[in-house]
Amino acid sequence: GAVVSQHPSRVICKSGTSVKIECRSLDFQATTMFWYRQFPKQSLMLMATSNEGSKATYEQGVEKDKFLINHASLTLSTLTVTSAHPEDSSFYICSASLNEQFFGPGTRLTVL
Amino acid sequence: KQEVTQIPAALSVPEGENLVLNCSFTDSAIYNLQWFRQDPGKGLTSLLLIQSSQREQTSGRLNASLDKSSGRSTLYIAASQPGDSATYLCAVSHGSGNTGKLIFGQGTTLQVKP
Repeated sequence: GAVVSQHPSRVICKSGTSVKIECRSLDFQATTMFWYRQFPKQSLMLMATSNEGSKATYEQGVEKDKFLINHASLTLSTLTVTSAHPEDSSFYICSASLNEQFFGPGTRLTVL
Repeated sequence: KQEVTQIPAALSVPEGENLVLNCSFTDSAIYNLQWFRQDPGKGLTSLLLIQSSQREQTSGRLNASLDKSSGRSTLYIAASQPGDSATYLCAVSHGSGNTGKLIFGQGTTLQVKP
């Protein structure tokens, strides 16, 4: 099946710093990628839909200036959490769309 | 607004039992429905994908059914094993590509005891 990677798998940072998470489709091209967030003991919630070469579409309540998404190529989308705070600590998962969505392994972000 | 509900939230069974996980959704105009497995601290593993025109899909000991008109899906696990212990997530989409965002249920956490 199609493979999606994420990097880094885990990151710990100080409050106020910015963190970039990469999502790559390794063996297929994806015009659309999705970014989800999962808080402990909760399900996945969609943050934004990322389209190659255009601006991302954010879900209601997600700050686009805080969660910057860049989909520069058909195999790479990045999510940058700017000025991260402890409440941003979460599990971030991306998916790339072919005929169905294929998920990356996730990135655990801990903001101290 | 689509809402996806999974019942039960948690389930504990002895090894060897057959079990059923339930998923319901409020808007029946779905494009497809997927069942995923998530191990603690890990990403998602896709188990079964059912297109809106299909009624069921099978993979090994897993069988998923879809009744779109009533807004329900079930995941049947036969002869459960301790390795099946995980959280099972149901998700629906209303399109493909750009409109294919998934809406997830809260999940059912399954524990299979040896």
